[in-house]
Amino acid sequence: GENVEQHPSTLSVQEGDSAVIKCTYSDSASNYFPWYKQELGKRPQLIIDIRSNVGEKKDQRIAVTLNKTAKHFSLHITETQPEDSAVYFCAATDSWGKLQFGAGTQVVVTP
Amino acid sequence: EAGVAQSPRYKIIEKRQSVAFWCNPISGHATLYWYQQILGQGPKLLIQFQNNGVVDDSQLPKDRFSAERLKGVDSTLKIQPAKLEDSAVYLCASGDYEQYFGPGTRLTVT
Repeated sequence: GENVEQHPSTLSVQEGDSAVIKCTYSDSASNYFPWYKQELGKRPQLIIDIRSNVGEKKDQRIAVTLNKTAKHFSLHITETQPEDSAVYFCAATDSWGKLQFGAGTQVVVTP
Repeated sequence: EAGVAQSPRYKIIEKRQSVAFWCNPISGHATLYWYQQILGQGPKLLIQFQNNGVVDDSQLPKDRFSAERLKGVDSTLKIQPAKLEDSAVYLCASGDYEQYFGPGTRLTVT
């Protein structure tokens, strides 16, 4: 089945700096890659996603890139703000369309 | 548009007791998922429904967990008997591609 690895597990950045989280996946048939943000005690919220026919997608301060050949995708957050502090999860569909999540990255934005 | 609803939000039970969780998906979503999220980990899929049929339950511990979606809308997940390691947040999600999560039920088994 699909295996998704996510790095780093924790990321501390100064407010205004950029943050990058990287994920790799194992199933070459995967075609959908969402990113979720989860604040403490709250539900995971879909913040951006990308499909395998697209290499990059941007939405204001967040962007996602996908390299199908290398089987990795990344989340980029620019001009980080304290409200960006949360756990971020990447995910990938396996060949059955089932989402497999990464272990998460705790992002801490310090003022 | 109303989101995914779940109840209860919190539940504390003793081991060997039973518990049930309820989920109402976003209106019109044919696909419903139940996930288990243990503290510090990503959500793990337990079961996926398409309308009222099971698509995937390969990671559902069927000796103690059961789930149903009788009318293709809301769903219940049951644990009987509960074990200490079942302590987790149980998340329901719906969506035919993008998945939207409910607030979850935090279960503590003592």
